[in-house]
Amino acid sequence: EVQLVESGGGLVQPGRSLKLSCAASGFTFSNYGMAWVCQAPTKGLEWVASISTGGGNTYYRDSVKGRFTISRDNAKNTLYLQMDSLRSEDTATYYCARLNLGADYFDYWGQGVMVTVSS
Amino acid sequence: DIQLTQSPSSMSASLGDRVSLTCQSSQGIGNYLSWYQHKPGKPPKPMIYYATNLADGVPSRFSGSRSGSDYSLTISSLESEDTAIYYCLQYDEYPLTFGSGTKLEIK
Repeated sequence: EVQLVESGGGLVQPGRSLKLSCAASGFTFSNYGMAWVCQAPTKGLEWVASISTGGGNTYYRDSVKGRFTISRDNAKNTLYLQMDSLRSEDTATYYCARLNLGADYFDYWGQGVMVTVSS
Repeated sequence: DIQLTQSPSSMSASLGDRVSLTCQSSQGIGNYLSWYQHKPGKPPKPMIYYATNLADGVPSRFSGSRSGSDYSLTISSLESEDTAIYYCLQYDEYPLTFGSGTKLEIK
């Protein structure tokens, strides 16, 4: 059974850092592109960042470029999102998602982890 | 960036009704469009990929179609469990973009 389990969320002050993790199981993690998607309170879904299978290619939405870093450890079957210089507008539930092999859509999602940026 | 415009933003329909939700792309994205069902407290669930393909485990009352830059998600006979917000997502180019969602409720 495919499972994606996020962790690392919480309350953090503006300007500080947080690192999210997504532990993957039930599939060969290194074969799949992965991504982070967020949803701010009362807002819609927003794509945050994506990473290729080997980690060599990464992509970001403009609002997080230079502040967030997506990475992966294929030996540990884990996806990460390093979030620096956090802003109040980064407050959201963050989901990790798996890119389907062979078709361009997100076929499995984690349950999500809440990040609150507030003083 | 590619913009996806979903309409309507919200709607209500009766059980058994045929319902169509629309997603219009600001530029050509081919069939690189997927649909997701999102219920409160749960992760999004994929419904349709490549514009017209049913994702695994999705009931056959759901279908997707495309006419040019207009994409539709249709529910042939609405059931109570279909209450949710539905989002479209384009995967043609980065940055990936979602539509703003359609909130579907039962009358």
